[in-house]
Amino acid sequence: GAVVSQHPSRVICKSGTSVKIECRSLDFQATTMFWYRQFPKQSLMLMATSNEGSKATYEQGVEKDKFLINHASLTLSTLTVTSAHPEDSSFYICSASLDRGPNQPQHFGDGTRLSIL
Amino acid sequence: DQQVKQNSPSLSVQEGRISILNCDYTNSMFDYFLWYKKYPAEGPTFLISISSIKDKNEDGRFTVFLNKSAKHLSLHIVPSQPGDSAVYFCAAILTGGGNKLTFGTGTQLKVEL
Repeated sequence: GAVVSQHPSRVICKSGTSVKIECRSLDFQATTMFWYRQFPKQSLMLMATSNEGSKATYEQGVEKDKFLINHASLTLSTLTVTSAHPEDSSFYICSASLDRGPNQPQHFGDGTRLSIL
Repeated sequence: DQQVKQNSPSLSVQEGRISILNCDYTNSMFDYFLWYKKYPAEGPTFLISISSIKDKNEDGRFTVFLNKSAKHLSLHIVPSQPGDSAVYFCAAILTGGGNKLTFGTGTQLKVEL
């Protein structure tokens, strides 16, 4: 069964709206979660590393004021796309590792398809 | 700069035959590699991994081969089944880099009856 739950699966909204995406680890505590973005026919690009109780670490080129990440508990990380515009339309996906050790496979949520009109 | 590349966007194989998916990387510091499988509208599912100290890892129908000198890895699926039809991503980790995954662009595998 799924170990990472992501919600919502699909969002369609008007330009200028802020959209919040939730990522939950099921039955395990995730001190670190990851947020990715995927454009059509491209690879998953890491946006940021979400750290419980501290600020997220953003990858180069990702606007931290645009993509707000909050990791308030050991089982929940949220990504808020603020004042979304059509160019923010994409597939957003989160992941978490079951184990804190190195090289542990990440388990992914089912992703959120965001469409900004 | 795409550090992990999957040059074949698609592959079609007959049921029962072997599927070979290829992946190349440019960063010689990567020391752990993974393959994920993705169905439409779902998140990637972990398949198999390999450490850079090995050249082969096998799990059932899935075998991953690593050629460090060529910076190349491949995933072999044998025998291929229709349920294997999906997009396959290879990914690389630089140990000590916070478990961050660098993904390839994916290969769409279609297993035909």
